[in-house]
Amino acid sequence: DQQVKQNSPSLSVQEGRISILNCDYTNSMFDYFLWYKKYPAEGPTFLISISSIKDKNEDGRFTVFLNKSAKHLSLHIVPSQPGDSAVYFCAATGTYKYIFGTGTRLKVLA
Amino acid sequence: NAGVTQTPKFQVLKTGQSMTLQCAQDMNHEYMSWYRQDPGMGLRLIHYSVGAGITDQGEVPNGYNVSRSTTEDFPLRLLSAAPSQTSVYFCASSYSLGQGRYEKLFFGSGTQLSVL
Repeated sequence: DQQVKQNSPSLSVQEGRISILNCDYTNSMFDYFLWYKKYPAEGPTFLISISSIKDKNEDGRFTVFLNKSAKHLSLHIVPSQPGDSAVYFCAATGTYKYIFGTGTRLKVLA
Repeated sequence: NAGVTQTPKFQVLKTGQSMTLQCAQDMNHEYMSWYRQDPGMGLRLIHYSVGAGITDQGEVPNGYNVSRSTTEDFPLRLLSAAPSQTSVYFCASSYSLGQGRYEKLFFGSGTQLSVL
């Protein structure tokens, strides 16, 4: 029973264009959502988060959108850069447990 | 600041052997957790702890034991390793916002474990 789903295993985008990564969740008790970026042979690093009281949060080139009624969140990266090539995980939590999705491998083509 | 430190970075075990993966954090975080990463499976929660003496199971706890005797350390024990436990293991920690709420997770760099 996968509570957090990332249905696109991979995504390729041209440098300078927008990257949109999607994430769906099923547990309505989740109220805090996070995105992590992971390079090979390193631990995941925090990118951006959003609380359920908001529907959008921005940090530089990164924006996360939350649609609570659809139980859907997305990460927009504008403009995409080759250094953004990595695996992106979304995560959700209510209390105590952070549940992660399966990840989306983003490749930004120069 | 060291953050979250995991040792060893690599380990090869034979089926049936036991070992302990070490995790230490120097941020005085109450919350610590262990994940395993497998291809196509993402990061799956094994066990977590909300403070010294308090641990609980995650999504995939079978075959793993944990204890939390200090705020800083949260070791993960494999009592009898199996090939299915071949994975990359990550430790993570976070600080409390009160009332069972925690902030973002800080991850260690991982331990790559192979069980033959």
